[in-house]
Formats: sequence, C-alpha cells, structure tokens
Amino acid sequence: SQQGEEDPQALSIQEGENATMNCSYKTSINNLQWYRQNSGRGLVHLILIRSNEREKHSGRLRVTLDTSKKSSSLLITASRAADTASYFCATGRNTGTASKLTFGTGTRLQVTL
Amino acid sequence: GAGVSQSPRYKVAKRGQDVALRCDPISGHVSLFWYQQALGQGPEFLTYFQNEAQLDKSGLPSDRFFAERPEGSVSTLKIQRTQQEDSAVYLCASSQGGGFYGYTFGSGTRLTVV
Repeated sequence: SQQGEEDPQALSIQEGENATMNCSYKTSINNLQWYRQNSGRGLVHLILIRSNEREKHSGRLRVTLDTSKKSSSLLITASRAADTASYFCATGRNTGTASKLTFGTGTRLQVTL
Repeated sequence: GAGVSQSPRYKVAKRGQDVALRCDPISGHVSLFWYQQALGQGPEFLTYFQNEAQLDKSGLPSDRFFAERPEGSVSTLKIQRTQQEDSAVYLCASSQGGGFYGYTFGSGTRLTVV
C-alpha cells in the first residue's frame, strides 16, 4: 500500500516558473527521498533528506521536511521543459540492513514553453 | 555495467503463462530490490536481496511470485500462472549498501497479461 499522498496530482506551469509539490506520509521515517520518472522510464534519484534535517538543496531543487506534520515539499526553481515528468516522494525506513522505500502516488508535472 | 539493466523491456503473456523477468544490477551493488508499479500509481515494494540472501519478501502478492539471486548478482523475478492483475511495470533497483543513500533504478519491464 502507498505510504503517502502527493499534492497536487497534476501541475502545469510555464517555463521559468517555480514548481512546488507536497508529500504527506503516515508513519515514522528515517529518511525521505524524491525521484523523477519520465514517461515509460525508470526512476531517477533526485535528493534524500534525513529525518533530523529540515531543508536540503541540490542545484535547482529545494526539499523541506517537517516530521511533526509528517510532510515534505519539493521546490523546482526556474523550471524547464525538460523537467516535465512524474515526481514521487518515498519514505525510507531502516530495517537494519536496508532502507526500505514506500512511495507516494506521484505528481505529474507539465512544463510548457 | 554503467546502470541497472532489465530485460525484456516489454512482455506480453497469455493468462496462465509463466514469465521470468531479469535484472542485472550495477556491478558491486550488494543490495537489490524489486518493485511493482501499476498504471498511474507509485511503485510498491516486492522483495529485497542482500547478496544472494532474500532478506525481505513481504511484498510479494502471492505464492505465484518468486524471486532469486543465486550468485549475488543477476536476479530473476518469476511469476507463475499469470493473471490480468499482474499487468504492471516491474522495476529493479540496486544500491551499494542498503539503499541508505538512494537507489539506482532500471528502466523496468512492462508486463501485459492478456
């Protein structure tokens, strides 16, 4: 079953605008990861934030995590047409030997010229 | 290899047929995961290997699903007596450790059961 839900389910913006996606989850986590999936392709790891971190940056990506509200957001600044994809958050729970991921339902982002 | 390789890329099976899906992880990656992604949904965990040991198979939906990784590298996901609800994309991911820094996913195998 899906751990979390993402909001919005779909987002359409123009090139150059910022895109914000939100993720909520239900149980305690060790980390939260964001992945991108282009149509018909596998997932690409974007960024990981640990449960004791509040904010992380990577290039045009900014991720925040609020464990008290069990929520995270992904901000993509100055979007490009190539950012068009589905974005998934995944909560990681450490089982001792692995960080087992549970994915959300995804946000479909469309960036138009 | 440079990435995680999955084959076949597409598979059409008649209901009741057995299928085998292959995953070739990044060389040296000890952890390997299988996920199932239904259309329009996020991936769902199936099973996890550390080297050749299957440490977690809690996500396998029925005893028709079986996975193996006999030599700790290539893995095969086998589905016996396929049913229509098995239609999905099957994703394989590997990581050097236990995925504590993220996974590398393959492009997946799209299985269609007719």
